[in-house]
Amino acid sequence: AQKITQTQPGMFVQEKEAVTLDCTYDTSDQSYGLFWYKQPSSGEMIFLIYQGSYDEQNATEGRYSLNFQKARKSANLVISASQLGDSAMYFCAMESYQLTFGKGTKLSVIP
Amino acid sequence: DSGVTQTPKHLITATGQRVTLRCSPRSGDLSVYWYQQSLDQGLQFLIQYYNGEERAKGNILERFSAQQFPDLHSELNLSSLELGDSALYFCASSVGQGLDTQYFGPGTRLTVL
Repeated sequence: AQKITQTQPGMFVQEKEAVTLDCTYDTSDQSYGLFWYKQPSSGEMIFLIYQGSYDEQNATEGRYSLNFQKARKSANLVISASQLGDSAMYFCAMESYQLTFGKGTKLSVIP
Repeated sequence: DSGVTQTPKHLITATGQRVTLRCSPRSGDLSVYWYQQSLDQGLQFLIQYYNGEERAKGNILERFSAQQFPDLHSELNLSSLELGDSALYFCASSVGQGLDTQYFGPGTRLTVL
């Protein structure tokens, strides 16, 4: 069975600072994908970044990067230069045969 | 805008009733997924269709059913509604059958009174 753990229910970060959101996963599958989604208070789910289990390089998308440590089964999201608009819930998810989500981390960016 | 559309945006109904949620995937996407997001259960995968065929099933109740039509839009039918079915229902789509990015629609907020 797949499991995603996000241990930080809530986090605060100062505007323009970097922040790391933690995610660990558990699977016995060799081939899987790791995703991060953002859910603002308006409710929509916005895709941020993807990392394949066989990708050797860490994924980056603009201010988002995924710190993938396969041996530790972790896939932390790093947001650089935080902006007020980054305040939202962030979900880590893993897919092998279906997409399994963690419980999320609520990020609040302080001016 | 992800390109995935869902209607209606909000739905308020009574216990025991039946509702239908509709989803149109992004152009070119063949897979449609349905998810339920509630405060106590979090985001849960319900079911996936690929090119009209059921591909994977998650925690979908027997009172719920779905289908994907030849034009690739999908409908999720919820019947004999209970208070606990109140949730945000998301549709997502992807190009292939799996291990590719799923793009989510804006969701349908269902309230059962």
